Amino acid sequence: EIVLTQSPGTLSLSPGERATLSCRASQSVSSSYLAWYQQKPGQAPRLLISGASSRATGTPDRFSGSGSGTDFTLTISRLEPEDFAVYYCQQYGSSPWTFGQGTKVEIK
Amino acid sequence: QVQLQESGPGLVKPSETLSLTCTVSGGSISSFYWSWIRQPPGKGLEWIGYMYHSAGPNHNPSLKSRVTISIDTSRNQFSLNLSSVTAADTAVYYCARHTPGGARLPFDFWGQGILVTVSS
Repeated sequence: EIVLTQSPGTLSLSPGERATLSCRASQSVSSSYLAWYQQKPGQAPRLLISGASSRATGTPDRFSGSGSGTDFTLTISRLEPEDFAVYYCQQYGSSPWTFGQGTKVEIK
Repeated sequence: QVQLQESGPGLVKPSETLSLTCTVSGGSISSFYWSWIRQPPGKGLEWIGYMYHSAGPNHNPSLKSRVTISIDTSRNQFSLNLSSVTAADTAVYYCARHTPGGARLPFDFWGQGILVTVSS
């Protein structure tokens, strides 16, 4: 199974700052089958990015995804108050589908 | 707008079987792949398995042979049975839809989740 390792575990930033989240895979993720989700307390995850870089419907353009192979990045260009949450990466190219352990973006 | 709603008991005894149902509204269950995903309290997400109406299910080998996923197209529902549960199976269980086009696609619609606690 493909293990996804996210870093950092927690990111402490202020509104307006740039956030850079990393997701590293234990083996190559085929065809960039990599997604990013946002989860707020008490809520289900929400799909932000699929195919490593394609924004899902309704995802603001301050969110961008990049990467291929084993290294992927989610960037939030300017943090808004509603962006403070936990972010998960997920690969869906090789069964079993797996998730990273999450990165919490908290207010500094 | 597609909506998913999980239902089932919130408390299951150790060694018994956890049974959950996901009811889909706003669209046909026959047109998409559907998955179960769980999240232990304060922890990350684990994919359990998926189902498609005209194909066999696929589940996470980590759960070995304890998982059964089925689909009832007449009721627009799909179900999860997890046998021989232990405290380690305590989690919020989500049902989710795969983005249109197949199984190798991310999850675009999720249920609100149901907390299932395994305890005597």
